[in-house]
Amino acid sequence: GAGVSQSPSNKVTEKGKDVELRCDPISGHTALYWYRQSLGQGLEFLIYFQGNSAPDKSGLPSDRFSAERTGGSVSTLTIQRTQQEDSAVYLCASSLVGEFIYEQYFGPGTRLTVT
Amino acid sequence: EDQVTQSPEALRLQEGESSSLNCSYTVSGLRGLFWYRQDPGKGPEFLFTLYSAGEEKEKERLKATLTKKESFLHITAPKPEDSATYLCAVQQKRGGKLIFGQGTELSVKP
Repeated sequence: GAGVSQSPSNKVTEKGKDVELRCDPISGHTALYWYRQSLGQGLEFLIYFQGNSAPDKSGLPSDRFSAERTGGSVSTLTIQRTQQEDSAVYLCASSLVGEFIYEQYFGPGTRLTVT
Repeated sequence: EDQVTQSPEALRLQEGESSSLNCSYTVSGLRGLFWYRQDPGKGPEFLFTLYSAGEEKEKERLKATLTKKESFLHITAPKPEDSATYLCAVQQKRGGKLIFGQGTELSVKP
């Protein structure tokens, strides 16, 4: 079946511009996650959506970062006034949720370069 | 503070040379420990979930084990196609986010 998809695969933007990154989770997965992977760094959690609950935004590095999930499916991560330190690969993941432990499935990522 | 540390950072093996990767963790209530494989330019690919100390899981040449403080990923008779970065992550009991280690970059030469 279809996995997690992300678009665009690559994005080059100028410092100070806003960018939007899109994630389409696996159908039926109620949990959606955004992570960031910088060169030489591990995966860093950004934000987590589960169903209709308030999102866990504890990983967002600044108020320039925001995300929304519409209709419980597609999610958009927005970075305003981009800075060079925002350059990274942004990964989206989705999973089932319940009393059991479910693995997170990752998309291919969006490579963001801020010039 | 919850933390995951992987060692070594990089490992070079000859084809057929077995070895182990280590993942040490500190977490306030472990829900699960996950191993992923990541190839260059791709997202992480799920390998295993371990839930409790003493548990073991196997898949082809890989075997993952878990203790109360660390996990090992054993690679038996590796092949060049096993070359990748292997990531370890933990999830707290309340669920949600994964906390990742820095990864071990494995290179297997023919």
